[in-house]
Amino acid sequence: DGGITQSPKYLFRKEGQNVTLSCEQNLNHDAMYWYRQDPGQGLRLIYYSQIVNDFQKGDIAEGYSVSREKKESFPLTVTSAQKNPTAFYLCASKPVRQGQIPEAFFGQGTRLTVV
Amino acid sequence: AQRVTQPEKLLSVFKGAPVELKCNYSYSGSPELFWYVQYSRQRLQLLLRHISRESIKGFTADLNKGETSFHLKKPFAQEEDSAMYYCALAPFGNEKLTFGTGTRLTIIP
Repeated sequence: DGGITQSPKYLFRKEGQNVTLSCEQNLNHDAMYWYRQDPGQGLRLIYYSQIVNDFQKGDIAEGYSVSREKKESFPLTVTSAQKNPTAFYLCASKPVRQGQIPEAFFGQGTRLTVV
Repeated sequence: AQRVTQPEKLLSVFKGAPVELKCNYSYSGSPELFWYVQYSRQRLQLLLRHISRESIKGFTADLNKGETSFHLKKPFAQEEDSAMYYCALAPFGNEKLTFGTGTRLTIIP
């Protein structure tokens, strides 16, 4: 079954702890993305990666870190420096092509609650 | 900097009435514009893109470069159109995909 998988679906952490969210895709897509979805604020881009071993900050990268060691995987770490980490996190991927921009495919999301 | 604005957070429309979801963008170059939709308990998915000039589920969207707008329209709303709609922008030659704040559309039976 091809697609993009985020795990876990729900995650609870104590304040001050780092936590890593998993995102795996078997679609052979070059580009991968992390978004944060908050009510009334839409999808805000945290980080994106166009190719293995390279990634760029999005609009709200502070307090987050990522790695892209494999094409299939783009884990997101929410560090203790993130002031308001409780949110719904969405991962996406898409091919990179010249000309027309392909559609992005999204995971089911991870709801992180920090207590 | 690229930016997408959706001025309406909530929109309620009666079944059979026309629907228009507004989207304005700012980008200095030539971008591609998209509409994504999220139905209840489903993943976010592509509805349509401006470059294809297609109609999906009765929805159309026209890119107006003069007004930097990409409004989504449907002449007759159906109950199954109730969902969250996001307008998105991606510059050609750059993989940064930016979304708006979204509009929750509710169709009243």
